[in-house]
Amino acid sequence: QKEVEQNSGPLSVPEGAIASLNCTYSDRVSQSFFWYRQYSGKSPELIMSIYSNGDKEDGRFTAQLNKASQYVSLLIRDSQPSDSATYLCAVRYGGSQGNLIFGKGTKLSVKP
Amino acid sequence: DGGITQSPKYLFRKEGQNVTLSCEQNLNHDAMYWYRQDPGQGLRLIYYSQIVNDFQKGDIAEGYSVSREKKESFPLTVTSAQKNPTAFYLCASQTGLGDTQYFGPGTRLTVL
Repeated sequence: QKEVEQNSGPLSVPEGAIASLNCTYSDRVSQSFFWYRQYSGKSPELIMSIYSNGDKEDGRFTAQLNKASQYVSLLIRDSQPSDSATYLCAVRYGGSQGNLIFGKGTKLSVKP
Repeated sequence: DGGITQSPKYLFRKEGQNVTLSCEQNLNHDAMYWYRQDPGQGLRLIYYSQIVNDFQKGDIAEGYSVSREKKESFPLTVTSAQKNPTAFYLCASQTGLGDTQYFGPGTRLTVL
């Protein structure tokens, strides 16, 4: 059974703090990892993709991948109330043509 | 503007009726996908198509049907055989190189 696990939250952080979102996956051969943000009632929008071990930074967002531990995380620095949303982790199984498996998402609330 | 469009945004259906959800993309993407999202749940794959005139069942295909007669279009029919069709339906597309999936705005279907 291919699984992607996320803490459902809600995760509450004060404005300006670092929010840390975590995701674990079950298949060691997975190669592609994605973070999507979904506002209430809207469709998911891509934040970042990551393919290699280590960190990948894009503005206030940093994705971290550890394939040995089957763990991928998203850090949001200087969190803003506009970052309040559900964050979905997605993992591609079965190689480059495989389908995405989505976690259930972590709800983030940034308090002013 | 390039992107993925879905229509209608909201759809109400009486029990026993078939309904068709539209998905169109002008991104020249080869692959298209249909997902279903229920409250507090991750995205679940209904059907996908990697090339015109070909499509495959996803994890929850029962009670649904699709067609892929044109590269740009991938309509989803929710049949009366689908026991619990009320959900948020999301269409996505990606290039043939197995990269990132991008989502349309979604259709919210309610069975009355």
